[in-house]
Amino acid sequence: DVKVTQSSRYLVKRTGEKVFLECVQDMDHENMFWYRQDPGLGLRLIYFSYDVKMKEKGDIPEGYSVSREKKERFSLILESASTNQTSMYLCASSYLQGVNTEAFFGQGTRLTVV
Amino acid sequence: AQSVTQLDSQVPVFEEAPVELRCNYSSSVSVYLFWYVQYPNQGLQLLLKYLSGSTLVESINGFEAEFNKSQTSFHLRKPSVHISDTAEYFCAVVSSASKIIFGSGTRLSIRP
Repeated sequence: DVKVTQSSRYLVKRTGEKVFLECVQDMDHENMFWYRQDPGLGLRLIYFSYDVKMKEKGDIPEGYSVSREKKERFSLILESASTNQTSMYLCASSYLQGVNTEAFFGQGTRLTVV
Repeated sequence: AQSVTQLDSQVPVFEEAPVELRCNYSSSVSVYLFWYVQYPNQGLQLLLKYLSGSTLVESINGFEAEFNKSQTSFHLRKPSVHISDTAEYFCAVVSSASKIIFGSGTRLSIRP
């Protein structure tokens, strides 16, 4: 069974804290993505990575950074958490090219910043 | 830039009634089109996809979607819905750069 695993289902952090969200996939996918999901806004792309140490900004990268040191792991970092970053965060992975570009998603991390 | 529009944020229907969830996209290049479903308290999972070939694609649970290039649409339909279809549905487009862009989602609620 293919899997994308996010390290936490629920997190509560304080304003100003540095927050790490971890994501691991076991499908040898090249692409990995971080989205945030908010009611009425759908999924908005924060960052994506198409190879180790490669990253590209998505639509809402401000306040976030990412790290991809190994192919299977993609970390989202909130340098200084703020209350407007309270959201559901979804990690996904997919193959780089070709017809099978389906994305596989983790269960999500619901982050609350207080 | 590519974009996906789901015009209906919520669609309430009665059980066993037909339903259509609308999706329009904008792109100047060839795209792959997807519908994902998110059941309550779960992650997203693929429902169906259009890559090439037949413009009508089907899922295993009775949903179908038709790719219409002239109208840049990929609407999702089911002739008879069940309570278990209650979920949020997301239309998505993938470009040649493999970047996945999602619509804002449509929440389907089924009334008995």
